[in-house]
Amino acid sequence: ETGVTQTPRHLVMGMTNKKSLKCEQHLGHNAMYWYKQSAKKPLELMFVYSLEERVENNSVPSRFSPECPNSSHLFLHLHTLQPEDSALYLCASSQMGQGYNEQFFGPGTRLTVL
Amino acid sequence: AQSVTQPDIHITVSEGASLELRCNYSYGATPYLFWYVQSPGQGLQLLLKYFSGDTLVQGIKGFEAEFKRSQSSFNLRKPSVHWSDAAEYFCAVGVSGGYNKLIFGAGTRLAVHP
Repeated sequence: ETGVTQTPRHLVMGMTNKKSLKCEQHLGHNAMYWYKQSAKKPLELMFVYSLEERVENNSVPSRFSPECPNSSHLFLHLHTLQPEDSALYLCASSQMGQGYNEQFFGPGTRLTVL
Repeated sequence: AQSVTQPDIHITVSEGASLELRCNYSYGATPYLFWYVQSPGQGLQLLLKYFSGDTLVQGIKGFEAEFKRSQSSFNLRKPSVHWSDAAEYFCAVGVSGGYNKLIFGAGTRLAVHP
């Protein structure tokens, strides 16, 4: 595997289900991100982890719970979601350090909440 | 506050025609600028970036962009569009001093007619 991978690619869940999205980066980076991409809305940054510590939480509802067990893996645990949470969820990674370094994105998980 | 504006929501061009996608940004310091492309159902792929130096930058797939500080613009161009260029294009500005934060524009959807 290369780059940033995400599983599953598609997920359909009911409002009472609990599911998790997984992201893995194979780039040796030390920062990982979750974004939400809804139709007709700009990309929304949800969470940022740097060196496995959460450094940003953009007022995301508690029904979304991130987890970063190590610098290569990032999870987004989902529970009691609403239909408006249906979206494409994108994971990204970058290397934090001197200067600015670009983010590399995974293919996304298309989530549908019924 | 930092922001990115992509004035054109949809653009349609004929295959073989030239293309210019507009991007204007608002940022107090010298910006880090990016263009990403997203094909349907896919994640974001970096086309090109500007950090410093030559204001005309070359990217992948035959794209180029020109940074114009006086106009706060970073327009994307391609001299001859291919049908496979149909996708959504996002301009973004990178904010230094933190976790490589990216601020995205709303995107421009490109359609290519044969």
